[in-house]
Amino acid sequence: AQSVSQHNHHVILSEAASLELGCNYSYGGTVNLFWYVQYPGQHLQLLLKYFSGDPLVKGIKGFEAEFIKSKFSFNLRKPSVQWSDTAEYFCAVNAWGAGSYQLTFGKGTKLSVIP
Amino acid sequence: EPEVTQTPSHQVTQMGQEVILRCVPISNHLYFYWYRQILGQKVEFLVSFYNNEISEKSEIFDDQFSVERPDGSNFTLKIRSTKLEDSAMYFCASIMVQNTDTQYFGPGTRLTVL
Repeated sequence: AQSVSQHNHHVILSEAASLELGCNYSYGGTVNLFWYVQYPGQHLQLLLKYFSGDPLVKGIKGFEAEFIKSKFSFNLRKPSVQWSDTAEYFCAVNAWGAGSYQLTFGKGTKLSVIP
Repeated sequence: EPEVTQTPSHQVTQMGQEVILRCVPISNHLYFYWYRQILGQKVEFLVSFYNNEISEKSEIFDDQFSVERPDGSNFTLKIRSTKLEDSAMYFCASIMVQNTDTQYFGPGTRLTVL
């Protein structure tokens, strides 16, 4: 079964700092990859996704992620964070190559941005 | 923009009681899912549903759980006899096509079992 690891439990940054959140998954076949964000008191929203093609994907609000197949990684980046980016970030994988369409989530990384 | 909706937003129940959580998926979506998130833990898959049948389920989804699409719009999750450990946030999601689209999540129902 696939699994997802997010390396950081809680990240605290000052505004304008750069962000990189790590995500690794364990599955050798075809996958779709996602980053979801959960703002305080709100539901899960899609930030960006990778299905195929260019491994560098851009999402909403200036976020981007790079799929490195050889490292089974899909790290999320943002060059300059804002206070409004304070939220919990979840990496998820869908190992559809195995015939499974469920999303497997990582444990999440809580990002706190200090003004 | 169409959204997945869920009711109620918060349900409090006594241990051993039955609860039904309701979801209205996006209207032209064909695949429906339930996930749960126990406080402080990760989001976990429970079950997927397509064409009036369960297509995948996790180990969590035991005989105490059932899903139904009773009409053309609602998708429900029933827990027959709730346990304390069922306390969690339950999310519904829907999607048009499974491997080329994104699952859209509802706002969740917080279930508290006392």
